[in-house]
Amino acid sequence: DAGVTQSPTHLIKTRGQQVTLRCSPKSGHDTVSWYQQALGQGPQFIFQYYEEEERQRGNFPDRFSGHQFPNYSSELNVNALLLGDSALYLCASSTQDAYGYTFGSGTRLTVV
Amino acid sequence: KQEVTQIPAALSVPEGENLVLNCSFTDSAIYNLQWFRQDPGKGLTSLLLIQSSQREQTSGRLNASLDKSSGRSTLYIAASQPGDSATYLCAVIGGGSNYKLTFGKGTLLTVNP
Repeated sequence: DAGVTQSPTHLIKTRGQQVTLRCSPKSGHDTVSWYQQALGQGPQFIFQYYEEEERQRGNFPDRFSGHQFPNYSSELNVNALLLGDSALYLCASSTQDAYGYTFGSGTRLTVV
Repeated sequence: KQEVTQIPAALSVPEGENLVLNCSFTDSAIYNLQWFRQDPGKGLTSLLLIQSSQREQTSGRLNASLDKSSGRSTLYIAASQPGDSATYLCAVIGGGSNYKLTFGKGTLLTVNP
């Protein structure tokens, strides 16, 4: 049974560019959340998607946007990249009642 | 605003020791609490989930307890092994319409052979 799958694993972008990260949830899960983890910190909540809509959002600027598709997979888009956006981006899936979360291996984004 | 604190920030022990990692949270109105393990540069692996109505959960050498009223959880690791070396993260879910995980900064555990 496949867990949460994220792609790509690593990415290097230039300041000002745009990036798209992708996530496929664990089988049986219909809710996808995105987290940003800076070095030495705990993950910070970006937003959560359920039924193709943003259900909850953390304290991140509008440069961060997302989408959920009918098959429950999700994308995270970041526009106008800043050096401070360099981090590990984690996708987590769950059932809609948020009983427990399963995380993917993450995408390491480096902005230069 | 929920805040989660983990103590200690780092811990180094010899192989075979039993150890306790601590987690505290400021708002006791939580839905559940989840402990994760993270290896360097990797994603998070769920270790244990405790519902707000439960007092503890066990999996193998791991035991997690929850005292919701005092805003505390502990993760007990028995007979530690070098393979247990990792960062351990505690996270709470608020409940109601608050679905997000709020994490602590983690405890970096090193088990020396």
